[in-house]
Amino acid sequence: DAGITQSPRYKITETGRQVTLMCHQTWSHSYMFWYRQDLGHGLRLIYYSAAADITDKGEVPDGYVVSRSKTENFPLTLESATRSQTSVYFCASKLTGTNTGELFFGEGSRLTVL
Amino acid sequence: AQKITQTQPGMFVQEKEAVTLDCTYDTSDQSYGLFWYKQPSSGEMIFLIYQGSYDEQNATEGRYSLNFQKARKSANLVISASQLGDSAMYFCAMREGGGNQFYFGTGTSLTVIP
Repeated sequence: DAGITQSPRYKITETGRQVTLMCHQTWSHSYMFWYRQDLGHGLRLIYYSAAADITDKGEVPDGYVVSRSKTENFPLTLESATRSQTSVYFCASKLTGTNTGELFFGEGSRLTVL
Repeated sequence: AQKITQTQPGMFVQEKEAVTLDCTYDTSDQSYGLFWYKQPSSGEMIFLIYQGSYDEQNATEGRYSLNFQKARKSANLVISASQLGDSAMYFCAMREGGGNQFYFGTGTSLTVIP
């Protein structure tokens, strides 16, 4: 089915380990985003990408790395996970050239860092 | 300063009644977009409605309408004839100008009472 697929949906890891959250979209949207959702903070932008090989920092990029070698994939890596990175992570995409330009979200990845 | 403020952490409404969820925003841009998203307990983010800053008419989508008061910088979501399935978190968001960063509020939890 077309859309945005995130994996894994649930992940438990330990402090200091590397974790990669995958995001795949089938729409060929140019823009892709990673947000984290925390109680009391809403959604905060971590990184976004305008196209393959173009990425930019968002509001809370520290401790995260992204890459975008292909338009359809936008993985998010926590190089050395910390407990403060326990959160729900959402990948999103946006179609350019439309009047509204709303974000389309994946189902989220719940990460717990012990 | 917060870009998006949602002052109602939780709201209750009787089934079939209308409810207004408050959202105020802060921007110095003349061109911006305002969005509402619904997040049911299953966790996905569902786009509901969009209002552009130059739109003279309030946006409507089925039972959802956006009460846009530009001078007051408010973009309240009105849900008419509430249904049990409307119980969810609701997030207000803004995109400034031609930018790609969306700013989200902290959300309002709506409970529809039978």
